[in-house]
Amino acid sequence: GAGVSQSPSNKVTEKGKDVELRCDPISGHTALYWYRQSLGQGLEFLIYFQGNSAPDKSGLPSDRFSAERTGGSVSTLTIQRTQQEDSAVYLCASRKQGTSGNTIYFGEGSWLTVV
Amino acid sequence: SQQGEEDPQALSIQEGENATMNCSYKTSINNLQWYRQNSGRGLVHLILIRSNEREKHSGRLRVTLDTSKKSSSLLITASRAADTASYFCATGGGGSYIPTFGRGTSLIVHP
Repeated sequence: GAGVSQSPSNKVTEKGKDVELRCDPISGHTALYWYRQSLGQGLEFLIYFQGNSAPDKSGLPSDRFSAERTGGSVSTLTIQRTQQEDSAVYLCASRKQGTSGNTIYFGEGSWLTVV
Repeated sequence: SQQGEEDPQALSIQEGENATMNCSYKTSINNLQWYRQNSGRGLVHLILIRSNEREKHSGRLRVTLDTSKKSSSLLITASRAADTASYFCATGGGGSYIPTFGRGTSLIVHP
């Protein structure tokens, strides 16, 4: 696609439920990132995929969070047993493989509200 | 931990004035990037400056980088109401392909 696509745009879920957030990166971009942004805060790195390498999961806040990337393209971020503190905007970004200075392109985010 | 930190946290100016935002970071970098975010949604890349560059221009944007002070500034000249947004710096390098972001500067430009 023309840009990074995320779905759903908005999700309201009950505490304790599982949620899945989807990211479709720009075609040809091999690097994919998930960030989280709480209200009025900066971006918190969650996980990074690069090609066929093992993902960097160092930013995942707990074992309730997981992500996968199928076929080197679409990625799904799963949050199990959601808690109210999980409420945030979840941003996905992708980058074309090359130098580390390449720009990363963000999707519009998925706003998650846990009630 | 967040490497880049923007200053000030909030800035309110009149249309036509210049807006200056600063970013400080802690470790060595290969490049520094500035992004803009409207309404808490996706970030849009504005400009990248490499560690061997001191100044870069793009339209009404001017970015400086002082690696000795580990700081960067973003200047928006002749601001417009449409420039109202949050601005973030992101650092990358030292082998890291994971840009780290600060908390951002919230800019309000009054018409």
